[in-house]
Amino acid sequence: GDSVTQMEGPVTLSEEAFLTINCTYTATGYPSLFWYVQYPGEGLQLLLKATKADDKGSNKGFEATYRKETTSFHLEKGSVQVSDSAVYFCALKDNNDMRFGAGTRLTVKP
Amino acid sequence: NAGVTQTPKFQVLKTGQSMTLQCAQDMNHEYMSWYRQDPGMGLRLIHYSVGAGITDQGEVPNGYNVSRSTTEDFPLRLLSAAPSQTSVYFCASSPGLDLQETQYFGPGTRLLVL
Repeated sequence: GDSVTQMEGPVTLSEEAFLTINCTYTATGYPSLFWYVQYPGEGLQLLLKATKADDKGSNKGFEATYRKETTSFHLEKGSVQVSDSAVYFCALKDNNDMRFGAGTRLTVKP
Repeated sequence: NAGVTQTPKFQVLKTGQSMTLQCAQDMNHEYMSWYRQDPGMGLRLIHYSVGAGITDQGEVPNGYNVSRSTTEDFPLRLLSAAPSQTSVYFCASSPGLDLQETQYFGPGTRLLVL
């Protein structure tokens, strides 16, 4: 079945550092890909999405490009802030089925 | 709009007890779903509904029942709680089935089964 694999955390960075969180997927069809963010005590919020190959999703300085040839959707940000500390989930949606990765906890220190 | 609301926020049950987790949305969304979140496993889909009167099983449906009598409400029932059902439960909704549609999540219900 479809699945998502993302890098294990936790990830700890200093403010203004570059962030990459790796995500790869396995799917039988042509899924849409998502990154969600979960702040402490809250539900998941959509961060960005891409619906077809070579699309780039972006929001709040975060970017991810849908790479069909490498089945990847890596999340990047050029300069992280303390307020970016959260758990990040990569996810795919194929027909009615949505699959999430295990999540990567990011802590940004001032 | 209140978005997606869930009650209760926290619940403690004894093994064998039953309860219903409530979920409601005021966005007139057709698609609603329930997930459980366990450490190191991300979110797993329990049940989903594509409209009033229609429900289907997700990845981990055993031990849970759902119904969808209205567009707004999608309750999740635990008929006989087990410690393995200790988890955080999230309800989500989206406007439709299109792959481009994104989901809106509720704040979650933390359930502890003793």
